[in-house]
Amino acid sequence: QMQLQESGPGLVKPSGTLSLTCAVSGGSISSGHWWSWVRQPPGRGLEWIGEIYHSGGTNYNPSLKSRVTISVDKSKTQFSLELTSVTAADTGVYYCARLQVVPAILFDYWGQGALVTVSS
Amino acid sequence: DVQMTQSPPSLSASLGDRVSFTCRASQNIGGYLNWYQHKPGKAPKLLIYAASRLYSGVPSRFSGSGSGTDFTLTISSLQPEDFATYYCQQSYTTPRTFGQGTKVEVK
Repeated sequence: QMQLQESGPGLVKPSGTLSLTCAVSGGSISSGHWWSWVRQPPGRGLEWIGEIYHSGGTNYNPSLKSRVTISVDKSKTQFSLELTSVTAADTGVYYCARLQVVPAILFDYWGQGALVTVSS
Repeated sequence: DVQMTQSPPSLSASLGDRVSFTCRASQNIGGYLNWYQHKPGKAPKLLIYAASRLYSGVPSRFSGSGSGTDFTLTISSLQPEDFATYYCQQSYTTPRTFGQGTKVEVK
């Protein structure tokens, strides 16, 4: 059974960099799926941040593109998120998820989420 | 971006009720619409994909319908474990966008 688990600092200072890692177990990160980050600010809905393919191809949300980098480490079967120049608006729960694209495009596996607070 | 609008934002219902709520896309997305259930502190769960296809392991009381811009999720008989927030998500194009959610609460 595939499992995803987010990890990283729960507190980041304003103007700093938010860094999270998603460990993938129970399956291959080179399986033909895309690996995604989705976040949920407090009291709000879900926002897609971006995604990466095992070969390194990426898609980012244009609203965050200038600040986001998603990378993959196949040897460690994990992928990571970096979000720079953070503000309080970046506070929220960050989820990693697997995006299936065949035969339909959907998020089929999710991590439990990691709460990140941006505060001094 | 394709904007997804869900209504109502919340609804109150009783066990055994049939409930439906809607999701509207800002442009034609065909059948590229997924529904997720989300409970606090938990990972979202996929319920319906491609507008009307039941995901593996999801109870048959959940059903989806619609195409183009208007979609509906129906729960035929509300169970205790169904009190949650439900999100629609379009898979037609990037950026991948979600609705703001419909919260199903106990009446």
